[in-house]
Amino acid sequence: AQSVTQLDSQVPVFEEAPVELRCNYSSSVSVYLFWYVQYPNQGLQLLLKYLSGSTLVKGINGFEAEFNKSQTSFHLRKPSVHISDTAEYFCAVRKTGGFKTIFGAGTRLFVKA
Amino acid sequence: EPEVTQTPSHQVTQMGQEVILRCVPISNHLYFYWYRQILGQKVEFLVSFYNNEISEKSEIFDDQFSVERPDGSNFTLKIRSTKLEDSAMYFCASSELERGLAGGETQYFGPGTRLLVL
Repeated sequence: AQSVTQLDSQVPVFEEAPVELRCNYSSSVSVYLFWYVQYPNQGLQLLLKYLSGSTLVKGINGFEAEFNKSQTSFHLRKPSVHISDTAEYFCAVRKTGGFKTIFGAGTRLFVKA
Repeated sequence: EPEVTQTPSHQVTQMGQEVILRCVPISNHLYFYWYRQILGQKVEFLVSFYNNEISEKSEIFDDQFSVERPDGSNFTLKIRSTKLEDSAMYFCASSELERGLAGGETQYFGPGTRLLVL
């Protein structure tokens, strides 16, 4: 079975500051890794995903994430956040060949002016 | 840009009643999913559907749940006899078939239906 732990439930940060949202996963089989964002009253939108190859993955809205197999982590980063990045961020895994996405509990990013 | 749509946005029902949640996936997608999120909890997978049959389901998806693709555009989730604990946001998602990438497809989510069981 797979599981996902998002280490911070809330992250407050000032506008234009860098941010890192932490995610660790556990799985006995190979997995694909995802980050989703959910803005208020909207569905989940894919930010980026790691399938294979380069461990640094770039996504939309200036976000990137680094896959670290030895530490089973997939932390999300942005060098300079905007007020509009205020949202809930979900880390997720899916086993290769599978359909079921396992989500973390989410991290609420709050960007302050 | 094509998007997944869901109706209704909100549904209030009495315990024991049947509800049908509707979704229109992106038109060329072949895989369909339902997830739910109980308030304050994680998003949980319910079921995936491909080629007119269930391809995977979770332990949550018991006999009171069913899914159907009644025509070429809609995908529905039926809850036969609702319970208080079925109150949640229900998300539909869809994805394309990406050959050689099984499991890695991007799932596109709808905005959700908030179900409240009284």
